[in-house]
Amino acid sequence: NAGVTQTPKFQVLKTGQSMTLQCAQDMNHNSMYWYRQDPGMGLRLIYYSASEGTTDKGEVPNGYNVSRLNKREFSLRLESAAPSQTSVYFCASKEGGQGTYEQYFGPGTRLTVT
Amino acid sequence: AQSVTQLGSHVSVSEGALVLLRCNYSSSVPPYLFWYVQYPNQGLQLLLKYTTGATLVKGINGFEAEFKKSETSFHLTKPSAHMSDAAEYFCAVSDMNAGNMLTFGGGTRLMVKP
Repeated sequence: NAGVTQTPKFQVLKTGQSMTLQCAQDMNHNSMYWYRQDPGMGLRLIYYSASEGTTDKGEVPNGYNVSRLNKREFSLRLESAAPSQTSVYFCASKEGGQGTYEQYFGPGTRLTVT
Repeated sequence: AQSVTQLGSHVSVSEGALVLLRCNYSSSVPPYLFWYVQYPNQGLQLLLKYTTGATLVKGINGFEAEFKKSETSFHLTKPSAHMSDAAEYFCAVSDMNAGNMLTFGGGTRLMVKP
């Protein structure tokens, strides 16, 4: 049982390049989330998917797109990377049923845009 | 909109001393409250949570937190710090009227001196 996995662990991009961050969970969770972590700002929600087939914007969606490929996988795409997108990106999942609250986090992807 | 404020971005204690990390929140509805811990180069791990019921909640590694509605606080404590407690700690609030999305504080880095 691997929990939440993310690939890649590290990535360096040049301004204007594109890439997709991959996330998968093996806990049969309904809800999945993408956050970015910047010093002093905690984690900020980029996009989330409450259930398979749905996605919604979070607090900081500009410059990103997401795809909920199936129940297990939720990818985050940067179409044209900018230096302001240098950050650590975390994927999380949650069971989604009534009475479930906590989110489970992956190990993160450290992205640098030069 | 809900928000979380963590007082002190850095807290330093001596090994064996009391740990107190402060968290204040704002929420228009009764909140669900969480503390997460992040060790270097890792994802976030749930320490403890408050949903309903007893206002003093115990978590892993000897940590506990008390929900005080009148003070809108959820401070994290541990009676005796251990070197292994050195990490970054995040307080978060979940609003069930907003899809149970988490809003995080800016984080507090705990340093433990020998």
